[in-house]
Amino acid sequence: GQQLNQSPQSMFIQEGEDVSMNCTSSSIFNTWLWYKQDPGEGPVLLIALYKAGELTSNGRLTAQFGITRKDSFLNISASIPSDVGIYFCAPSGGQNFVFGPGTRLSVLP
Amino acid sequence: EADIYQTPRYLVIGTGKKITLECSQTMGHDKMYWYQQDPGMELHLIHYSYGVNSTEKGDLSSESTVSRIRTEHFPLTLESARPSHTSQYLCAIGTGTYEQYFGPGTRLTVT
Repeated sequence: GQQLNQSPQSMFIQEGEDVSMNCTSSSIFNTWLWYKQDPGEGPVLLIALYKAGELTSNGRLTAQFGITRKDSFLNISASIPSDVGIYFCAPSGGQNFVFGPGTRLSVLP
Repeated sequence: EADIYQTPRYLVIGTGKKITLECSQTMGHDKMYWYQQDPGMELHLIHYSYGVNSTEKGDLSSESTVSRIRTEHFPLTLESARPSHTSQYLCAIGTGTYEQYFGPGTRLTVT
């Protein structure tokens, strides 16, 4: 079966720092999505990537779809306290989709 | 985007009771999903539906059942709740591509 890994599993950063996380797969995918889940809420779609090599920004967020179609990264610049939560990558292809195990982000004041 | 509703938000119930978690949407999307998630942990797909009278089991085996009689509603039922069912249950709708939009979830505690 396919393996999907997110790194790091958790991270603690100071407010104002930049954050980088990534997602790697043993399989090729056609789409990479990134979600954020606030504590006690459902995940919210942050960024969608549809083409290998695509680099997309949404405010302080930047994400890239790896050229091999087996990975993606998400960067957050100048972190703020409300960035706290779990970040899930969710690649998909054909009728298949999968959610990664998540990166848990804590922002220290 | 789509409005998706889940009720109740919180439920505490005794062992052996039958429960139904409601999920409804207003935009007429065909694809709907149920996930089970322990606090701070991974999302596990337990059921999905691609339209009326279509339901499938997900990747994680679950004792719950679902129905899709109307496009707008995708309820999840547990015939006899047990403490091992304690978890958060998230409902989502899927749009034409691969994006999913989640409801706020139901946090279930079985005592």
